[in-house]
Amino acid sequence: QVQLVQSGAEVKKPGASVTVSCKASGYTFTGFYMHWVRQAPGQGLEWMGRINPKSGGTNYAQKFQGRITMTRDTSINTAYMELSSLRSDDTAIYYCARVGEYSGYNHVLRYWGQGTLVTVSS
Amino acid sequence: QSVLTQPPSVSGAPGQRVTISCTGSSSNIGADYDVHWYQQLPGTAPKLLIYGNNNRPSGVPDRFSGSKSGTSASLAITGLQAEDEADYYCQSYDSSLSASVFGTGTKVTVL
Repeated sequence: QVQLVQSGAEVKKPGASVTVSCKASGYTFTGFYMHWVRQAPGQGLEWMGRINPKSGGTNYAQKFQGRITMTRDTSINTAYMELSSLRSDDTAIYYCARVGEYSGYNHVLRYWGQGTLVTVSS
Repeated sequence: QSVLTQPPSVSGAPGQRVTISCTGSSSNIGADYDVHWYQQLPGTAPKLLIYGNNNRPSGVPDRFSGSKSGTSASLAITGLQAEDEADYYCQSYDSSLSASVFGTGTKVTVL
């Protein structure tokens, strides 16, 4: 079965960077786009971007351009999301999510990781 | 600020039917981009509920249905159950932002 297991909670100081990992299993890693979504405490879902694990190509939300980097390591079926120049309002749960097997639907998020809490505090 | 607007909350008694609206614009829903719906139970990751406007993934009860018209979409829950108490989000693609976008979210309360 498809599983996405994320790295553990992080506490960072303002201005620092954080990298969250997402280890995939149960399917061909390079066959499906991986997206990243975050959720601030008590707030809604916010799309951050996506990566094509096969090519490494990325698309980022304009809000995060210049601060976000998504990468992957196909040898260990793991996707990464790095966010730099952290601010207090980056405090959120960060999710990786894989698209579904539905032809033509590139943004349907069928499988989700358990989430990683990133706290930014001085 | 999300480009897809949902009512903050809806409520209904067990067994009743509730609907959640998702209002967009000519650059997303109105541009014929599909709408998807997610359910988020407290303290858990979101779960795909409806994709492609009105399709249910395997395992999702047929009490949940979706529709789309013009610049809006709706999620209907019939035969409301206590376990349906959760937050619900719509999602689409926005061509002006070149990004996937989520709705503001709706909390469903079962009275």
